[in-house]
Amino acid sequence: QQQVKQSPQSLIVQKGGISIINCAYENTAFDYFPWYQQFPGKGPALLIAIRPDVSEKKEGRFTISFNKSAKQFSLHIMDSQPGDSATYFCAASGFASSNYKLTFGKGTLLTVNP
Amino acid sequence: GAGVSQSPSNKVTEKGKDVELRCDPISGHTALYWYRQSLGQGLEFLIYFQGNSAPDKSGLPSDRFSAERTGGSVSTLTIQRTQQEDSAVYLCASSPITLAGTQYFGPGTRLTVL
Repeated sequence: QQQVKQSPQSLIVQKGGISIINCAYENTAFDYFPWYQQFPGKGPALLIAIRPDVSEKKEGRFTISFNKSAKQFSLHIMDSQPGDSATYFCAASGFASSNYKLTFGKGTLLTVNP
Repeated sequence: GAGVSQSPSNKVTEKGKDVELRCDPISGHTALYWYRQSLGQGLEFLIYFQGNSAPDKSGLPSDRFSAERTGGSVSTLTIQRTQQEDSAVYLCASSPITLAGTQYFGPGTRLTVL
């Protein structure tokens, strides 16, 4: 059972455009939702994270939108740059417990063309 | 400061051999996680350590997999009698108690079983 579904699998955007990646979760016990960025040959790096008590969080060009009733959240990358080309993973965990093991989406390969 | 380090970066082994993968977490991080990243399955949780104890081993795929952590620091993931399906990138992440949920990943060990 895939608990976090991510789409699209791949995305091509022109420089300066907006990249949007969507995720949906099933487990209502999840209450911490991070996004990770991964470059080839590197480990995932935390980009931005949100808890369900807010509907949106913005850090620089990156924004998470969260819809608790729909059990969906999305990452928006504004003014996308070629350096943003990477694989992006959404994830979820139960923040209220001491074990914050992450359940990941399958990833989105983002290509930003110059 | 130094991030999470893992060794070796690459390991090629023959089917049936045992392998040990090492993780050095960020100093002072009490929580440590192992994940596996493969093309077919994406990023999967394997095991969680809090200090030297492992309260959650639910992601270990078989009894050929084991892990330990000593001194609240270094962790070793051991795979016995390796199989071709064990080929993957094994990632370690650590987390500070003050920012529980925020996981910092190492670069991973790419394991290839011939």
